Amino acid sequence: DAEITQSPRHKITETGRQVTLACHQTWNHNNMFWYRQDLGHGLRLIHYSYGVQDTNKGEVSDGYSVSRSNTEDLPLTLESAASSQTSVYFCASSESAGSNEQFFGPGTRLTVL
Amino acid sequence: KNEVEQSPQNLTAQEGEFITINCSYSVGISALHWLQQHPGGGIVSLFMLSSGKKKHGRLIATINIQEKHSSLHITASHPRDSAVYICAGYMDSNYQLIWGAGTKLIIKP
Repeated sequence: DAEITQSPRHKITETGRQVTLACHQTWNHNNMFWYRQDLGHGLRLIHYSYGVQDTNKGEVSDGYSVSRSNTEDLPLTLESAASSQTSVYFCASSESAGSNEQFFGPGTRLTVL
Repeated sequence: KNEVEQSPQNLTAQEGEFITINCSYSVGISALHWLQQHPGGGIVSLFMLSSGKKKHGRLIATINIQEKHSSLHITASHPRDSAVYICAGYMDSNYQLIWGAGTKLIIKP
């Protein structure tokens, strides 16, 4: 069965370290998204991609970067982790125009100490 | 600015009750996405609809395009339905979702 996975599921890191969260989908979807979820804010879009080599900034992109070298993966990198980036991160994917339902990964809980 | 608003924010009901969660949206949104999130859990897609009604088990979603309003109904509610229910408006222009704040539902046995 097609699925979307995230790794690691839990991560503790220190301020200033570089961290990469992985997202892998086997739906063969063109569109992929990264969100963070914090109490009081709901889901906020960090970065998104509409296909290989395409990346775009969302509403809370500062301090994060993504790259899309293939259809299946969209890793999210925190260049220099900050305590404000402690959050739960969700990856999602959807087909291109015409099928817009987003499917979510299980989430990664990141703690920055 | 396009917006999606949900009501109520919190809802507590007894097992067996009929539940309704509402979602209102503004122009620019072509479809509504209903999702469910259990405490500490992942996000599960329930429905994506742009017109009419969809049903899956005890869950029913309706949308009224003219009134820019969608509802999620749960029949014969059960404690396992306790979760946060989120509606999100789909933007045709950029494939992105505009998120509602969520409704926290608690069903008491």
